[in-house]
Amino acid sequence: QKEVEQDPGPLSVPEGAIVSLNCTYSNSAFQYFMWYRQYSRKGPELLMYTYSSGNKEDGRFTAQVDKSSKYISLFIRDSQPSDSATYLCATMNNNAGNMLTFGGGTRLMVKP
Amino acid sequence: DSGVTQTPKHLITATGQRVTLRCSPRSGDLSVYWYQQSLDQGLQFLIQYYNGEERAKGNILERFSAQQFPDLHSELNLSSLELGDSALYFCASSFGRASEQYFGPGTRLTVT
Repeated sequence: QKEVEQDPGPLSVPEGAIVSLNCTYSNSAFQYFMWYRQYSRKGPELLMYTYSSGNKEDGRFTAQVDKSSKYISLFIRDSQPSDSATYLCATMNNNAGNMLTFGGGTRLMVKP
Repeated sequence: DSGVTQTPKHLITATGQRVTLRCSPRSGDLSVYWYQQSLDQGLQFLIQYYNGEERAKGNILERFSAQQFPDLHSELNLSSLELGDSALYFCASSFGRASEQYFGPGTRLTVT
């Protein structure tokens, strides 16, 4: 079993929809949680960075972490065709180096 | 643009050969990370350097090595290349511990 699990999709939604992307993780030592967006053949782009449980909002994006259930989510409001990409969740255990452990990514397609 | 630069963008080489990938971190960042992204394994951490010293190691093969120079740029050396080494290699940088990691555009390695 992978340490971070993510539904690979693809997830197809109409423009303007609210998108919910989710990950589960198994290691309770993970303390930091990130979401990256990756366009085809490009480098991952950091979207959200959170520490511990709770919500964090940035524009149309909201990241949610529930450490009790080891569940992390990213919500995208008013989705746009330009949001079509692969979304990667990542976790970090600061006590074991700063390496990121990634989920496999969810491919999102937003149709006009 | 994350501020992390990587060269070359593409590299095509034959089995058994040796290549060097180069990364320049964002201005002011002291940590450099190397990740490998393949279709079957996803994005995986290889190695981290902090201010010239190795800080953490992931699933990095013995045929692979890295170093960080006094000017903080880093090089990843891949030797005795095999077909299975074909992948995208990303460099990321961060300022300190538990800081956000920003990824470069990657080097696409094809081993024929």
